[in-house]
Amino acid sequence: ETGVTQSPTHLIKTRGQQVTLRCSSQSGHNTVSWYQQALGQGPQFIFQYYREEENGRGNFPPRFSGLQFPNYSSELNVNALELDDSALYLCASRDARGAVNEQFFGPGTRLTVL
Amino acid sequence: AQTVTQSQPEMSVQEAETVTLSCTYDTSENNYYLFWYKQPPSRQMILVIRQEAYKQQNATENRFSVNFQKAAKSFSLKISDSQLGDTAMYFCAFMENNAGNMLTFGGGTRLMVKP
Repeated sequence: ETGVTQSPTHLIKTRGQQVTLRCSSQSGHNTVSWYQQALGQGPQFIFQYYREEENGRGNFPPRFSGLQFPNYSSELNVNALELDDSALYLCASRDARGAVNEQFFGPGTRLTVL
Repeated sequence: AQTVTQSQPEMSVQEAETVTLSCTYDTSENNYYLFWYKQPPSRQMILVIRQEAYKQQNATENRFSVNFQKAAKSFSLKISDSQLGDTAMYFCAFMENNAGNMLTFGGGTRLMVKP
């Protein structure tokens, strides 16, 4: 069990709505990434934040946005939800000064869009 | 762009036996890392083993070992003495050097360990 937590565990929204997912990084971790994992597939990189700035983004539209706070917690916001946004959303945190394998995933938020 | 392919959607193995999961990848980079992650039903992604591309020696972690063939762009995972707790989804993942957290995952292999 890692120190990365995510909330909520499950969430149901309807098409067109907006959603905010939260991640609390492990203490001391200054880099956080978000991934989308559709059912039966591997996770896909959405974006990452380092010191409150986005510094890497995958192939996701601008309606996927994020924030990282000084206490290294972070949010993933998705606007104008579509049915295909239904997925498990994972966050992963690491200390940028640490070894590359010191990356810890949270348990995820299961989002269902109806 | 890098791609990672896992050609075995499902595998099964008897408890205490050995199983090998396959992974191939495509990249033009020379410096990178490869990982195997385990995702049990609890959904939390757990690092099993990693390999630095510049190291010729295959990584080993207790019952888990890899066969890294850089020229063939192949990275298989061998699980020895399989245990019931090894039942999970296994994902192969690739990361460029200096790419921070950006992992490219394969589609996964569902492993069932049978008693």
